[in-house]
Amino acid sequence: AQSVTQLGSHVSVSEGALVLLRCNYSSSVPPYLFWYVQYPNQGLQLLLKYTSAATLVKGINGFEAEFKKSETSFHLTKPSAHMSDAAEYFCAVSVSGGTSYGKLTFGQGTILTVHP
Amino acid sequence: ETGVTQSPTHLIKTRGQQVTLRCSSQSGHNTVSWYQQALGQGPQFIFQYYREEENGRGNFPPRFSGLQFPNYSSELNVNALELDDSALYLCASSYDRGIYGYTFGSGTRLTVV
Repeated sequence: AQSVTQLGSHVSVSEGALVLLRCNYSSSVPPYLFWYVQYPNQGLQLLLKYTSAATLVKGINGFEAEFKKSETSFHLTKPSAHMSDAAEYFCAVSVSGGTSYGKLTFGQGTILTVHP
Repeated sequence: ETGVTQSPTHLIKTRGQQVTLRCSSQSGHNTVSWYQQALGQGPQFIFQYYREEENGRGNFPPRFSGLQFPNYSSELNVNALELDDSALYLCASSYDRGIYGYTFGSGTRLTVV
């Protein structure tokens, strides 16, 4: 079975500061990893995904994440926060085999607050 | 390219009633999954349909059921509603069982009173 742990349910940064949202996963088989963003009263929007190609993945809106197998991590970063980045972020894992094929397992989410 | 659309956007039901939620998949997608997102939680996988057949199920009781139609639209049915069923229900579609990620709809907010 797969699982995801997001460290920190709330992260607060100043506008222009570095954004770092932490995600650790557990999977017995090679995982596919995703970051989604959710704005209030909306669905989930895919930010980026790791599907076993390059370990450094670039996504939309200036976000990127690095897959580190040795640390079982997939942390999300953005060099300079913008007010519009304030939202809830979810890390998710899926696998390509077995009965869990394609099923997304999500972390509990991290709410990002950006201060002026 | 159309996205994933869900209806209705909001719904209030009484405990014990039945509800049907609808989802129109993104054009070209043959896989649909449903997720339940309780307030303050991450989405939880309910089930997935691939080419009209159930292709995986999460830890939800049988009163949660679904259908996928030949045009790949989908329904989620919940019988004997309980107060704990109050949540945001998200539909997501993809190609090839979602291994490369899903496109999510905006969800249906279900309140059970």
